[in-house]
Amino acid sequence: DSGVTQTPKHLITATGQRVTLRCSPRSGDLSVYWYQQSLDQGLQFLIQYYNGEERAKGNILERFSAQQFPDLHSELNLSSLELGDSALYFCASSAGYSSYEQYFGPGTRLTVT
Amino acid sequence: AQSVTQPDIHITVSEGASLELRCNYSYGATPYLFWYVQSPGQGLQLLLKYFSGDTLVQGIKGFEAEFKRSQSSFNLRKPSVHWSDAAEYFCAVGTGGSYIPTFGRGTSLIVHP
Repeated sequence: DSGVTQTPKHLITATGQRVTLRCSPRSGDLSVYWYQQSLDQGLQFLIQYYNGEERAKGNILERFSAQQFPDLHSELNLSSLELGDSALYFCASSAGYSSYEQYFGPGTRLTVT
Repeated sequence: AQSVTQPDIHITVSEGASLELRCNYSYGATPYLFWYVQSPGQGLQLLLKYFSGDTLVQGIKGFEAEFKRSQSSFNLRKPSVHWSDAAEYFCAVGTGGSYIPTFGRGTSLIVHP
């Protein structure tokens, strides 16, 4: 158990809908990272937050957004969902501002029908 | 930009046999290199990392990896595989700039009894 929790485990929704994925980092970790894992794209970095502020941005679509709250949990919002958004979404956390020592949560599997 | 290639999509070994998973990277300078393991239904777990120094790196669960600059490789090895090692293995490279690793597409390890 990495100490990173993600909810829900599974999510099934229809095209055009909006969903919110939630992540709680390990106790004491200030950075949260979001990744998308799909069969065709592999594991892609989406975005990082550090202590409430956006720190780095990867291949995140404009339809997607994220935020980190004062209690350090993070939410990833996906809107106008398309079939191609079906994937596993991982959250990871690390202690510092810049760290490769990332601890991954179990992921949320999103299925868009 | 850096990239990672894992040439083998699937590897099948018998329990007790030795294992080598291949990883090649593309980056101009000395990279930071990582191996992660993803068990079914789980997030990624860091097995080992190379930043500098000794090119043979020891990790958790009995794994080791060797950095070979001349071959741009960072292959993962284990002398005797256990059935519980069946999982997806990801090699990743970082450059120290953004501290966001770039992941390979993964190698699925199947262990026969």
